Amino acid sequence: GAVVSQHPSWVICKSGTSVKIECRSLDFQATTMFWYRQFPKQSLMLMATSNEGSKATYEQGVEKDKFLINHASLTLSTLTVTSAHPEDSSFYICSARGSSGGTLNTGELFFGEGSRLTVL
Amino acid sequence: AQSVSQHNHHVILSEAASLELGCNYSYGGTVNLFWYVQYPGQHLQLLLKYFSGDPLVKGIKGFEAEFIKSKFSFNLRKPSVQWSDTAEYFCAVNAEGAQKLVFGQGTRLTINP
Repeated sequence: GAVVSQHPSWVICKSGTSVKIECRSLDFQATTMFWYRQFPKQSLMLMATSNEGSKATYEQGVEKDKFLINHASLTLSTLTVTSAHPEDSSFYICSARGSSGGTLNTGELFFGEGSRLTVL
Repeated sequence: AQSVSQHNHHVILSEAASLELGCNYSYGGTVNLFWYVQYPGQHLQLLLKYFSGDPLVKGIKGFEAEFIKSKFSFNLRKPSVQWSDTAEYFCAVNAEGAQKLVFGQGTRLTINP
C-alpha cells in the first residue's frame, strides 16, 4: 500500500515557540492531505483539509492563524503550530489521498505515523 | 452533517470468542464506509472498506463487516479473536463526493489470553 511519513514523530517545545510537522507521501502524489488531532482515548478530529497549491480549508473551531498549513507540492504538507501552549499538546496525524486514476482515488486515506507534541 | 457512532467504548473478550463491534452513521445519501485499526504504538491501518456491491465485505486478518443500509449500520465482526487483535478500532464514513472522512469515537478492544 501507499506510504505516508510524518516527521518528527515526537517533539517537546517550550510554551510560546512554534513547531513544524511535515507529512510526506513517499510513493504516490497526494492532491489532498488532511490533518487530524487525536486527544487521549478519543477519536480523530479533522482540523483541516489541504489541497495542493491552494489554501487549506479549516474545520469550525480550528484557528487558522494558530495552525498554519502549507501544501506546496504533491508530496508534502506541513502543519505549523504557532506560539504553542500546553493545551496544544496532542497527537497530530496527517493522511493523504492519491491523485485521480488508480486505486488510490477510491476514497481510501493513507495515514502517517502521527506526531506527538508536548508543550511545556 | 455526517456523524458516526460506535456504541462500545471498551470491549473485553477472551481468545477464541466471537466479536461484533457496532457502528451507525447518520447521513441520507450514498456513503463509503471504512474500518480502521490502531495497534498499540502504531499508526492507523485500513481493515476493510465498502463502496458498493456486496454489502458483506471481507478485510484483512479475518475481519468482515456488513453494510445494512436500512439500519445505517456497518458492524465489524470476527468469528474468533486472537490476543493480537488487541487494538483501537475506528469506524469512518465518507459521503460520496465529499473530501473528508468522519470518524467514530473508537472502540478499545482488549483480548485476554
